[in-house]
Amino acid sequence: AQSVTQLGSHVSVSEGALVLLRCNYSSSVPPYLFWYVQYPNQGLQLLLKYTSAATLVKGINGFEAEFKKSETSFHLTKPSAHMSDAAEYFCAVKEGGGADGLTFGKGTHLIIQP
Amino acid sequence: DAGITQSPRHKVTETGTPVTLRCHQTENHRYMYWYRQDPGHGLRLIHYSYGVKDTDKGEVSDGYSVSRSKTEDFLLTLESATSSQTSVYFCAISAGGGGEQFFGPGTRLTVL
Repeated sequence: AQSVTQLGSHVSVSEGALVLLRCNYSSSVPPYLFWYVQYPNQGLQLLLKYTSAATLVKGINGFEAEFKKSETSFHLTKPSAHMSDAAEYFCAVKEGGGADGLTFGKGTHLIIQP
Repeated sequence: DAGITQSPRHKVTETGTPVTLRCHQTENHRYMYWYRQDPGHGLRLIHYSYGVKDTDKGEVSDGYSVSRSKTEDFLLTLESATSSQTSVYFCAISAGGGGEQFFGPGTRLTVL
């Protein structure tokens, strides 16, 4: 069975500092991996996705993530945090191309300090 | 934005009453999903549909049923609401394969 672990329910960084949100997954087959962002009282918006085409994936708003099979990780980074990045971030995994839903991590709340 | 709407957006109901939430899409996607979001749990899959009249259970399906009579509509029913079903419910759609899912704005349900 697939699962996702996000290390740190809350992460605080200063504006302009590096953002690093950690995600580890388990999957019995090569997975599809996703990062979503949720702003208060809104739905989830896709940041980026890994579908085996390239291990370094670039997404919207300056975010990127690197797929590391040996570490079963898919960490999200951004070189310089903005105040507008404050939100909840979710990592998700999907096994195969069928109808099955996504399995989500519990989320990381990103706090940006001025 | 993907064309997904959910109704109602907010609902307060009492324990034991039936509740139906509606998800409507204009994208003609084959796959539709219902999730619930609770603090400390992320999002968990309730039910999903892979075509008209084709549905299956997810991780937390007890107490919920679904129906899909048209491609564009996916209904989630709580036959007899309980306080443990107080949550935010999200609908999602997907074109399938390894593609991403697009999420609706959510319905906040409170069961008193």
